Amino acid sequence: AQSVTQLDSQVPVFEEAPVELRCNYSSSVSVYLFWYVQYPNQGLQLLLKYLSGSTLVKGINGFEAEFNKSQTSFHLRKPSVHISDTAEYFCAVSGRSGGYNKLIFGAGTRLAVHP
Amino acid sequence: EAGVAQSPRYKIIEKRQSVAFWCNPISGHATLYWYQQILGQGPKLLIQFQNNGVVDDSQLPKDRFSAERLKGVDSTLKIQPAKLEDSAVYLCASSPGTASSYEQYFGPGTRLTVT
Repeated sequence: AQSVTQLDSQVPVFEEAPVELRCNYSSSVSVYLFWYVQYPNQGLQLLLKYLSGSTLVKGINGFEAEFNKSQTSFHLRKPSVHISDTAEYFCAVSGRSGGYNKLIFGAGTRLAVHP
Repeated sequence: EAGVAQSPRYKIIEKRQSVAFWCNPISGHATLYWYQQILGQGPKLLIQFQNNGVVDDSQLPKDRFSAERLKGVDSTLKIQPAKLEDSAVYLCASSPGTASSYEQYFGPGTRLTVT
């Protein structure tokens, strides 16, 4: 079975500073990995995804993530954050159910950007 | 392209009352998901439909929750009777449903408060 662990429940950071949100996964099969962002009172929006190929994945809003198979990690990074990046971030791993695709989400990391 | 629509956005009910949520997925998407997101946690899959058939309802509390997608398009999730612990955001998501489609598109959610 697949599972996701987000190592930090909250990450405070000052505006224009770099940030890394950590995600580790477990799976016995090949995986696809995702990062979603959730702004207050909104649904989840896809930031980026790793399906295959280059292990460095670039997404929207200047975010990127690196897939590390040996460490079973998929950490999210941004070199310089803005106030508008304040949100909840969820890491997710692919799975299968009844022959169909599904996602398993981590508990989330709340990013708080301070001026 | 219109996104996933959900209604209502907010609902407050007393325990033991019943409530229903509605979801209209992106046009042409075969797979529809209902998630429960309790405050401070990641989304938890309640039920997954492929067209109008259920492919995973292993985490749906079937004594009080029910869901249907009769014509393979929109869907309704019902809770009867509600308990205090059902207070959460209920998210609907859809996906094209092909073998290679893992990305899910989320609606804005319905915030349920049970008093």
